[in-house]
This record gives sequence, structure tokens and C-alpha cells, in this order.
Amino acid sequence: SAVISQKPSRDICQRGTSLTIQCQVDSQVTMMFWYRQQPGQSLTLIATANQGSEATYESGFVIDKFPISRPNLTFSTLTVSNMSPEDSSIYLCSVDRGPGTEAFFGQGTRLTVV
Amino acid sequence: GIQVEQSPPDLILQEGANSTLRCNFSDSVNNLQWFHQNPWGQLINLFYIPSGTKQNGRLSATTVATERYSLLYISSSQTTDSGVYFCAGSYRSGNTPLVFGKGTRLSVIA
Repeated sequence: SAVISQKPSRDICQRGTSLTIQCQVDSQVTMMFWYRQQPGQSLTLIATANQGSEATYESGFVIDKFPISRPNLTFSTLTVSNMSPEDSSIYLCSVDRGPGTEAFFGQGTRLTVV
Repeated sequence: GIQVEQSPPDLILQEGANSTLRCNFSDSVNNLQWFHQNPWGQLINLFYIPSGTKQNGRLSATTVATERYSLLYISSSQTTDSGVYFCAGSYRSGNTPLVFGKGTRLSVIA
């Protein structure tokens, strides 16, 4: 299994501000994934973060709004920039150990923008 | 296209009852997994089950890859089983990233 520590667990933010979410994994992993879960909805992939290269964003998500850092093989951050109430969601990071293994998720960050 | 469909969308059970949740997935989806999201939002991996049958306590899962479906069985349900159950599969080589179904929201009442 993988232990992922995600911070903060929740936050209430003013519109127009930014929030940075951190994920720390207990061992080295090649790729880390960031998902968004809007209220009452399923999970949607935001981007894939590889160490040493730019993150790869899914359709509908852009780097200016969701900049991602991946400074080493155990850590990543996702920033939600210039927030609006529509950004209120749960944000989750995820890893796996490679092909043939299950995915693990951080505890999630419940963001409310007012 | 890429599809992961779950049924039923909502389920209410009396404590002690059994239930079966279904996940249908398209040809482009592989590496089927089941997750439970608790009321606090945490997502727990229940089973990695691309094919075959697995059991873990009161939970078991079966995936018939040739027919593109998976089933999650919950026996003797407890109130702590409440939450949302998601199935998900990968649509690229390797395991992740994952495409999620819309989930089954389970409420177990005492």
C-alpha cells in the first residue's frame, strides 16, 4: 500500500485568492495524479504530474488556473488560483505502484470558496 | 467511447441486508477497481480486480472482463458501510489515471 498525506484537509477561502494543496507520499512514485470532485459528482482528472517535467492537463483544465509542482518523487502541490465559488470541490491526489497495482488516494481537501 | 456506468445510483438498506452493486465498462477500460468514499470524503480502495473474484470480509467482487462488467457484493450490511461506492478503470496503458463511474450512494439504516 501507499500512505499519502494531503494537506489541508479543508479550507474556506475568499474569492479571488489562491490555495495550495500538498501531497506527500511515503515512498517514491513515478506519477502523481490530481482529481477534482464537484459537489455530488464523481471524480474528474485534472492533471498528471511527473517529476522533472511539466504536468499534463486534461481537457478543460489549464496550467494558469491549476499550476502543479513536482519537485521530487515523493511530493507534489496543486494550486487553485483566483478562486471563484465554482471551484468549491474536493481535491484529491492519487498514486499507484505501477501496472498491476491498485490506486491510493490522499485524504482529500474539501475547499469552499465564499 | 470511454464509459464506466454504475447501478443503482442510490440504495437504501436495512442493517443486516445484502446488496449487489454493478459496474459496466466499455472496451477501452481496463484494470477495474472498486472504491468506497466515506462521509468525510476519503476514498478507500476496496478491490483491484481486473478479472476474477476476490473477497475481503463481508465484501466480495467479481469482474467478468469478457462481458465488461463487475459486481460488488456487500453482505450483512452495517451502518458504517454507508457512503458512495465507485468503480473505476484506466483508459491508458498502465494503471492510472482512472475514469470513474458516477457512483452508487448507499445508506444503511439501523
